[in-house]
Amino acid sequence: NAGVTQTPKFQVLKTGQSMTLQCAQDMNHEYMSWYRQDPGMGLRLIHYSVGAGITDQGEVPNGYNVSRSTTEDFPLRLLSAAPSQTSVYFCASSWGADPRVETQYFGPGTRLLVL
Amino acid sequence: DQQVKQNSPSLSVQEGRISILNCDYTNSMFDYFLWYKKYPAEGPTFLISISSIKDKNEDGRFTVFLNKSAKHLSLHIVPSQPGDSAVYFCAATRSGGYQKVTFGTGTKLQVIP
Repeated sequence: NAGVTQTPKFQVLKTGQSMTLQCAQDMNHEYMSWYRQDPGMGLRLIHYSVGAGITDQGEVPNGYNVSRSTTEDFPLRLLSAAPSQTSVYFCASSWGADPRVETQYFGPGTRLLVL
Repeated sequence: DQQVKQNSPSLSVQEGRISILNCDYTNSMFDYFLWYKKYPAEGPTFLISISSIKDKNEDGRFTVFLNKSAKHLSLHIVPSQPGDSAVYFCAATRSGGYQKVTFGTGTKLQVIP
């Protein structure tokens, strides 16, 4: 049981380039989400999904796209990278929507540097 | 506007002593609070939580205290161990909505052997 996995661990992009951050979970969780963590700020929700085929925006969605074609995978796409997207990105998953009863499990993170 | 604040970026404690990590919040709608622990190069992991109907929750060496009138919570670790050295995030949520968790900025705890 690998839990939540993320690839790559580290990536350097040039401004304007595109890339996809991969996230997969093997716990059959319905709920998955993407966060970014920046210095001096807490983790902020980018996008989330409550099941295959269903996604919605979080707190800071601009510049990012997501899709959820399977229960296991939830990729995050940067269509045109900007220096402001330099951050550490965490993917998370949980059985249900309510954090009071359902623990979120986080992946190890992807460190992204946009030059 | 930072609704969940951890004003101490770092804390150093001797092994065996008590570690106290503090957290303040501004949104009175928050009704559930969580602490996460994060080691370098790993994702956050859930540590302990507390509902707003309680003022204390204990799990082994970890105790979380909630003071609703002051909008303040604290995490106590007794006794502190070197393996507790990590970044601790305070988080808060309110009823309804998908995992709408607001995180604090984190406190880096170093437990000195």
